[in-house]
Amino acid sequence: QKEVEQDPGPLSVPEGAIVSLNCTYSNSAFQYFMWYRQYSRKGPELLMYTYSSGNKEDGRFTAQVDKSSKYISLFIRDSQPSDSATYLCAMTTMGYSTLTFGKGTMLLVSP
Amino acid sequence: DGGITQSPKYLFRKEGQNVTLSCEQNLNHDAMYWYRQDPGQGLRLIYYSQIVNDFQKGDIAEGYSVSREKKESFPLTVTSAQKNPTAFYLCATSLPGQGQDTQYFGPGTRLTVL
Repeated sequence: QKEVEQDPGPLSVPEGAIVSLNCTYSNSAFQYFMWYRQYSRKGPELLMYTYSSGNKEDGRFTAQVDKSSKYISLFIRDSQPSDSATYLCAMTTMGYSTLTFGKGTMLLVSP
Repeated sequence: DGGITQSPKYLFRKEGQNVTLSCEQNLNHDAMYWYRQDPGQGLRLIYYSQIVNDFQKGDIAEGYSVSREKKESFPLTVTSAQKNPTAFYLCATSLPGQGQDTQYFGPGTRLTVL
C-alpha cells in the first residue's frame, strides 16, 4: 500500500461547480497536511495547510482533515476556469523535514 | 524581489555529459530540497539539506550530486550515471522548526537529454 494515494483524474467540472479533491494515507504519524496547486510547466504553489484534524477555510477553498479515517480533502467553491491545474496533497510528521506527496489530481474547469 | 530562482528554465544535454542546475534563494530559509517530477509519478525527492555543508540523500539520489557551500545556494549536478535524466526538476526551501515544515517551490528547470 502506498503511503499517500490520490486519484490522478482528470476531473472535469463546469464553471461554478463545487469541487472535492481527496487523498488517503496510511501513516498515522502524519500531523501536518498541505495542498499545493501546480499550473502546467510551473512550480507548485502552497494553497492550504492544516495541523492535525479539523477544517480550515480561505476564500473559496476549504481544507479538511479526518485523521481517524486517514483522509484529507480540499473543497473549491464556485470553481473558475483559472482553477484548472494539478492539485497535490502533501503531509509530514511532527519535527520531520521531508514531505510525502500524492501524485496529484488534474482538475479541468470548463467555462 | 524575494523568492527562489532556478536557472536555466530549459536545459538540453547530450548523453554522457554532466550538467548543473542552479537554485538560489533569498528567503533566509535553512532547508533546501531537490525534486524530480515525471508525468504520472508525482514529486520524488533527490537530495535535501537542512544546514550549510550538510546534505542527505532522498529516495532517488543515484546519478545525482549536490553541494551546500552557502545558505542561499543548492546546486544539483545530473551526472552521466543518471540513466534517464529527462524530467522537470524542482527546487524547494523551508524553515524547519516553525511548527510546520511547509515547502516553497521555485519555477523549475526542464532538462531534456538529446
